[in-house]
Amino acid sequence: NAGVTQTPKFRVLKTGQSMTLLCAQDMNHEYMYWYRQDPGMGLRLIHYSVGEGTTAKGEVPDGYNVSRLKKQNFLLGLESAAPSQTSVYFCASSANWGYLNTGELFFGEGSRLTVL
Amino acid sequence: DQQVKQNSPSLSVQEGRISILNCDYTNSMFDYFLWYKKYPAEGPTFLISISSIKDKNEDGRFTVFLNKSAKHLSLHIVPSQPGDSAVYFCAAGGAGSYQLTFGKGTKLSVIP
Repeated sequence: NAGVTQTPKFRVLKTGQSMTLLCAQDMNHEYMYWYRQDPGMGLRLIHYSVGEGTTAKGEVPDGYNVSRLKKQNFLLGLESAAPSQTSVYFCASSANWGYLNTGELFFGEGSRLTVL
Repeated sequence: DQQVKQNSPSLSVQEGRISILNCDYTNSMFDYFLWYKKYPAEGPTFLISISSIKDKNEDGRFTVFLNKSAKHLSLHIVPSQPGDSAVYFCAAGGAGSYQLTFGKGTKLSVIP
């Protein structure tokens, strides 16, 4: 069972470079999310998607773009990387949402990005 | 403004004793709450949840208590084991929202 898979696991970028993080889930989940984790800041939502072809902004969307062309994939792009984007990025997915639902998210293992 | 607060960055407990992790929230629209556990170099994993219609939910050694009037929830781990050493995140969500809001986490160390 792969669950949620993120690639790459590690990446070092120079300021101004671009890159894309790929998230793939094999659970047929509708909802997918990108979070970043920084020391002392917990998990903050960057962007999310409620279904194929949809995206929406989270708490900290600036400097990032996303696409959900296929239900199983959610891509996070950095067009012009900045040192402030050095972080650990987590992708997550969930099956359903709604009243009395647990809202359980399944997370990938994380992608550590360093911007020099 | 932080809507979900975990005011203790760290907690140390002896093996076999009770661990109590606390979480406060400010948004009265939150109606379900979750705890996640995270080991180093891994993604967070779901531990236990509770909806606002309940005040307690139990799963083995883990119990979550919710006090809606105080906007406070706590996670009790009894008995604590060394394998419980991890960072614990409190998260909250509201009906009609597709997002979870996470606290900053509490690092639990269980000492053998």
